[in-house]
Amino acid sequence: AQSVTQLDSQVPVFEEAPVELRCNYSSSVSVYLFWYVQYPNQGLQLLLKYLSGSTLVKGINGFEAEFNKSQTSFHLRKPSVHISDTAEYFCAAFLMNTGFQKLVFGTGTRLLVSP
Amino acid sequence: EPEVTQTPSHQVTQMGQEVILRCVPISNHLYFYWYRQILGQKVEFLVSFYNNEISEKSEIFDDQFSVERPDGSNFTLKIRSTKLEDSAMYFCASSLSGGGDTQYFGPGTRLTVL
Repeated sequence: AQSVTQLDSQVPVFEEAPVELRCNYSSSVSVYLFWYVQYPNQGLQLLLKYLSGSTLVKGINGFEAEFNKSQTSFHLRKPSVHISDTAEYFCAAFLMNTGFQKLVFGTGTRLLVSP
Repeated sequence: EPEVTQTPSHQVTQMGQEVILRCVPISNHLYFYWYRQILGQKVEFLVSFYNNEISEKSEIFDDQFSVERPDGSNFTLKIRSTKLEDSAMYFCASSLSGGGDTQYFGPGTRLTVL
């Protein structure tokens, strides 16, 4: 079965510190990978995505993620967080060449940035 | 920037009642989706819709659920007879094409079934 795992339900961090939010996937087929962010009372906004090519992907708001096929991971990083980065972050996978159109989501990681 | 909109933002209903959740996808998009998120759980796929028909649905999407694109702009999710366990945040999404193209999500409708 295909699945996406986000091991950390909550990550507290101080402002201007670096952060890494972990995402691992399990799939018998190739995947596209996405990170979405959900600010309070808002919808899911795309941060970045990996389709192919360079394994280091840069997104909006200074976030980046690295696709690691051998470790089946797609961890999200930011070198220096701001208070405004406080939100829920979701990793998601799209199964390639299956005819399916759905995204498979992880359970989300709540990033709490404090002064 | 174009965005997906959803109405209402919050819907409260009694068990057994019918509800219709409405979405306006991005205007030139061709693929439409519904997802839901039960409080504290992951976002789950419900259904995808293309060319005026369902292209994929999950096991959650049983006979109580239906989708429709009644005109050129709206995309609706109907739950015929709501159950307590239908309480969740329902997200609509759209994409220009399939095959992993970015899905753009609306802000969600929080459905509370009493």
